[in-house]
Amino acid sequence: DAGVIQSPRHEVTEMGQEVTLRCKPISGHNSLFWYRQTMMRGLELLIYFNNNVPIDDSGMPEDRFSAKMPNASFSTLKIQPSEPRDSAVYFCASRAVTGFTGELFFGEGSRLTVL
Amino acid sequence: AQKVTQAQTEISVVEKEDVTLDCVYETRDTTYYLFWYKQPPSGELVFLIRRNSFDEQNEISGRYSWNFQKSTSSFNFTITASQVVDSAVYFCVLSTRDNQGGKLIFGQGTELSVKP
Repeated sequence: DAGVIQSPRHEVTEMGQEVTLRCKPISGHNSLFWYRQTMMRGLELLIYFNNNVPIDDSGMPEDRFSAKMPNASFSTLKIQPSEPRDSAVYFCASRAVTGFTGELFFGEGSRLTVL
Repeated sequence: AQKVTQAQTEISVVEKEDVTLDCVYETRDTTYYLFWYKQPPSGELVFLIRRNSFDEQNEISGRYSWNFQKSTSSFNFTITASQVVDSAVYFCVLSTRDNQGGKLIFGQGTELSVKP
């Protein structure tokens, strides 16, 4: 079975450019999460969706970040304009249930470098 | 407050040694779940185990074992006869009802290095 699929795996861009990260959750999963990982701050939850509806976006750093989930099989995380401090690995994860009981399955991550 | 503490930032062992990774959690919720994840050098996060707060039985899976003790709020992870492939960062994670299931609380991680 296919796991969580993220693209691109690596992205190098220049400051000010728009970046779009994509995620395809595991089929049938009802919750989707976006995390960011850096050496300094560890793993940070940016936003999560239940049944395609954003539940908590308090972790989104600022207005430059936006996330959408137009349907159950696709989500995007957009950064516009990007800044060097956005450089990180961005993980998408999905979970079969919307409650707190299930484990998350993570994608391989998208490594973003903003020059 | 809800919190996960992994006091060991880095551990280094020689192959075939046993090693225990400590995890202490804090929550006022009586119903919660705990998880362990592995992040090898390749970067992906791999789910290892899930345990709910009502099941204190220890669990063994091959060389891996987990000791859950509610009395000390600990959920420790032991690798027996460690191997180089066990080298990774290991995260202990807490999930409670209070957070609507969304805000999983990650520990800071323990980086395990197994040397040949």
